[in-house]
Amino acid sequence: SYDLTQPPSVSVAPGQTARITCAGNNIGTKNVHWYQQKPGLAPVMVVYDDSDRPSGIPERFSGSNSGNTATLTITSVEAGDEADYYCQLWDTTSDLPFFGGGTKLTVL
Amino acid sequence: QVTLRESGPALVKPTQTLTLTCSFSGFSLSTEGMCVSWIRQPPGKALEWLALIDWDDDKYYSTSLKTRLTISKDTSKNQVVLTMTNMDPVDTATYFCARMVRLGTYRFDYWGQGTLVTVSS
Repeated sequence: SYDLTQPPSVSVAPGQTARITCAGNNIGTKNVHWYQQKPGLAPVMVVYDDSDRPSGIPERFSGSNSGNTATLTITSVEAGDEADYYCQLWDTTSDLPFFGGGTKLTVL
Repeated sequence: QVTLRESGPALVKPTQTLTLTCSFSGFSLSTEGMCVSWIRQPPGKALEWLALIDWDDDKYYSTSLKTRLTISKDTSKNQVVLTMTNMDPVDTATYFCARMVRLGTYRFDYWGQGTLVTVSS
């Protein structure tokens, strides 16, 4: 098993920067992916391989990963960014995928 | 264009076996690197990965649920089937299928819309 710990909630005012963390043992050695999930919808990948963006995802979404923490950063936050965010990785030791517990982003 | 769609019963009784089907298009599960996974989400709770099957018919299961899960594929029909035995009310959740490409890094790039399964007598 591989534990991924996310803060339950993050709040930010419109136009500010939101940072959502994902903590795991030596997570910096793994590739981390981030998903956005709005109510009633399926998750959508917003960052993959720590810091790459799928096509169609705004440049406001970025990621970093080092040591024991991966971070999803959303700049110039908009009301439409309000959602749950999940980190995910593949653990090569157990050869299984794992999700973090999710973070609810609230735009004040 | 890659699409996935889940189908199955909306309601099952406790102790029954759940059978869900993921029908997909836009890729083939016989292509190296292609995989389909099942992931669930209880109401108001986090995503939980359940099972994965790959192009080579290798199967992977959640450690905590592996005794209850079976995943299989029908490549000719572009379908993946998940069975979960001995259903309990705590298994009430939206069940998603998602594609993973196991080339380089392993991420879920396409998801189905999900299907809500309620376990109740």
